[in-house]
Amino acid sequence: GAVVSQHPSRVICKSGTSVKIECRSLDFQATTMFWYRQFPKQSLMLMATSNEGSKATYEQGVEKDKFLINHASLTLSTLTVTSAHPEDSSFYICSAPSASGGAGADTQYFGPGTRLTVL
Amino acid sequence: LAKTTQPISMDSYEGQEVNITCSHNNIATNDYITWYQQFPSQGPRFIIQGYKTKVTNEVASLFIPADRKSSTLSLPRVSLSDTAVYYCLVGVRDTGRRALTFGSGTRLQVQP
Repeated sequence: GAVVSQHPSRVICKSGTSVKIECRSLDFQATTMFWYRQFPKQSLMLMATSNEGSKATYEQGVEKDKFLINHASLTLSTLTVTSAHPEDSSFYICSAPSASGGAGADTQYFGPGTRLTVL
Repeated sequence: LAKTTQPISMDSYEGQEVNITCSHNNIATNDYITWYQQFPSQGPRFIIQGYKTKVTNEVASLFIPADRKSSTLSLPRVSLSDTAVYYCLVGVRDTGRRALTFGSGTRLQVQP
């Protein structure tokens, strides 16, 4: 099946610094990718939709100036958490829809997630 | 997307069959039912998808009654490694092109 990778898998940073998280579709192209955030014991919450060649679409309540998204190519989307604070500590997950045909074409493939801890 | 309701948690023992039921009373004609599995500190993984009646793959079975207002994910002979959160999602088949809306999910704990 299709594979989505994320880097880094975990990062610890000081408050006020910026952190970049990469999401890559390894064996398929994705014009759209999605970024989710998940707090402990909670479900995934959509943050934004990353669109190749255009601006990202953010969900209500998500600060676009704080969570910068860049869809640099058909296989790479990056999420930058700017001026991170402890409340930004969370598990960040990206996903991409498969572009292939067949029974599995309508599902999304998720990355392994990135654990961000802001001290 | 139609709202879904699942039990918050379930407990089972190794070797047992586990059935997790999801209610989706407002499911639309074009909606499909998809189940994802999530292990701790990992991204969700697609398990199975169906529209009506029964679907089976190497991992699970999905039972959908005629009115489609609910569905049941069946995991045969669970093992400790099946301990995870299971999410039921309902939406049009083209959800690959849209973000997914996750409910609370069902936390399955398999005991030895």
